Amino acid sequence: GQSLEQPSEVTAVEGAIVQINCTYQTSGFYGLSWYQQHDGGAPTFLSYNALDGLEETGRFSSFLSRSDSYGYLLLQELQMKDSASYFCASKAAGNKLTFGGGTRVLVKP
Amino acid sequence: GAVVSQHPSWVICKSGTSVKIECRSLDFQATTMFWYRQFPKQSLMLMATSNEGSKATYEQGVEKDKFLINHASLTLSTLTVTSAHPEDSSFYICSPQNVAPGREETQYFGPGTRLLVL
Repeated sequence: GQSLEQPSEVTAVEGAIVQINCTYQTSGFYGLSWYQQHDGGAPTFLSYNALDGLEETGRFSSFLSRSDSYGYLLLQELQMKDSASYFCASKAAGNKLTFGGGTRVLVKP
Repeated sequence: GAVVSQHPSWVICKSGTSVKIECRSLDFQATTMFWYRQFPKQSLMLMATSNEGSKATYEQGVEKDKFLINHASLTLSTLTVTSAHPEDSSFYICSPQNVAPGREETQYFGPGTRLLVL
């Protein structure tokens, strides 16, 4: 089976930096993905880490440590539009995704 | 990114009726289609995986006779919720797998279909 743990909620102010941690217990782990989901919308792909290390995409970065079964998503220069839920998801054989419970990020002015 | 459509975007039906949800990948071919379900304030849960031209594989706890999946072409898959009940009310999201080289890691999602069963 697979399980992923991430904090349920994070609050920060505009311009701040937020790190969302994700720990996983999985079998047949291929990599870790991150998705953003606004209320009422579908998930949108943010990043994917198959190898250890940091992947940077604009204001968002994602990190993976396979030895620690741990990853994080870093949101920099927070903007109001970043208020959303963020999900980590582990990828297994057949490209199956197992999602964490989601972290609700609330950005305040 | 890839373009994925779902129809309808939302539906309200009476208990006992069947509802068909269509998912189309508009600019790429998808040999594999994933169907997810998301209850309010919860995470996405994989319901089933279908490959074009073959029977779907259902996750544990998902009734295959209740959630009928058809994946007849590389651009269209349908999910039919048969004899829907209020507990089936949820957000149903499809995710076609892009088979283009170098694009396998990016998994796209349809806009979702919100189902409310009265």
